[in-house]
Amino acid sequence: GNSVTQMEGPVTLSEEAFLTINCTYTATGYPSLFWYVQYPGEGLQLLLKATKADDKGSNKGFEATYRKETTSFHLEKGSVQVSDSAVYFCALSDRAGKSTFGDGTTLTVKP
Amino acid sequence: EAGVTQFPSHSVIEKGQTVTLRCDPISGHDNLYWYRRVMGKEIKFLLHFVKESKQDESGMPNNRFLAERTGGTYSTLKVQPAELEDSGVYFCASSQERVRGEQYFGPGTRLTVT
Repeated sequence: GNSVTQMEGPVTLSEEAFLTINCTYTATGYPSLFWYVQYPGEGLQLLLKATKADDKGSNKGFEATYRKETTSFHLEKGSVQVSDSAVYFCALSDRAGKSTFGDGTTLTVKP
Repeated sequence: EAGVTQFPSHSVIEKGQTVTLRCDPISGHDNLYWYRRVMGKEIKFLLHFVKESKQDESGMPNNRFLAERTGGTYSTLKVQPAELEDSGVYFCASSQERVRGEQYFGPGTRLTVT
């Protein structure tokens, strides 16, 4: 079956540091890939997505590139802010629309 | 446009009791999904409705869980009788197009079984 493996957390960074959260996946076919974010006290929000190989999703300074050869979708941001503190989930969606999520990575950014 | 809403936001019940969770998807979204996150682990798929029909219920843990979507609008997820291991956050999501897979999530219902 499909699976998503995310970099284990928690991750603590200082403001303006570079962020990478690794994500690799196993899936049959050609899934769509997503990063979701859950801010404290809120629900899941779509952060960015990519629907085919070599696509780059980007939003709010975050980026991730769909790498079919390495089955990866690593999340990056060049300079994190305190407001980026949240739980980040990598996910894939198959053609049936069923999503498979990673365990989530808790990011804390300190001033 | 209103997003996906879920009720209640938090429920605390005793083992053996019954709880019903409700999800109102975005208007016009035929696809409705239930997910669960237990003990801070990954978010796991429970089931998928297309309109009022169950498309995939392979993630439902056992027959203590019953999901319905009468009329193809809102959905309910009933747990009866609740067990300690049912504690977690239950998310609902909806989407307009199944193939693209972009789902809009509700805020979740935190269920605590004591």
